[in-house]
Amino acid sequence: NAGVTQTPKFQVLKTGQSMTLQCAQDMNHNSMYWYRQDPGMGLRLIYYSASEGTTDKGEVPNGYNVSRLNKREFSLRLESAAPSQTSVYFCASSGPGQGVYEQFFGPGTRLTVL
Amino acid sequence: GIQVEQSPPDLILQEGANSTLRCNFSDSVNNLQWFHQNPWGQLINLFYIPSGTKQNGRLSATTVATERYSLLYISSSQTTDSGVYFCAVRQDTGRRALTFGSGTRLQVQP
Repeated sequence: NAGVTQTPKFQVLKTGQSMTLQCAQDMNHNSMYWYRQDPGMGLRLIYYSASEGTTDKGEVPNGYNVSRLNKREFSLRLESAAPSQTSVYFCASSGPGQGVYEQFFGPGTRLTVL
Repeated sequence: GIQVEQSPPDLILQEGANSTLRCNFSDSVNNLQWFHQNPWGQLINLFYIPSGTKQNGRLSATTVATERYSLLYISSSQTTDSGVYFCAVRQDTGRRALTFGSGTRLQVQP
């Protein structure tokens, strides 16, 4: 039982390049989330998926797209990376039961955009 | 949206000391979690505590939902307790994700 896994752990991009961050969970959770953490701050929500087949914008969605590939996997795509997207990205999941909202986080992806 | 305020922002302790961290939130919540972010950046779940009191070893937490605050107690602190402690809440209505406070940075000195 690996929990929430993310790849890659580290990535350096040049401005304008694209990339996809991968996230998978093996806890049979319905909901999955992408957050970003900037230095000295708490996490902010980028996108979330309440269940397979649905996605919704969070607090800071501009410049990102997401895909809920199946119940296990939720990917985050940067189409044209910008230096302002330099951050640590965390994926999380929660569920599956009614009224169970505890979220579990992956180890994070540290992204630098030059 | 909901506001989450944590205090103090920074805390320096000697090993063995006790501390209390506070989290205030501005609206009703159905989820409140405390996390420890270690120096390697990992987020470790400490408590899932939308209401009531829980204890886990040297750590305990209390949430008084009607008064919109939660407290995290650390007793007999150790150097491995160093890092940032985040409180995060989920509102009763609207978006299902967590809103994080800005954290309390704890440094435990030997």
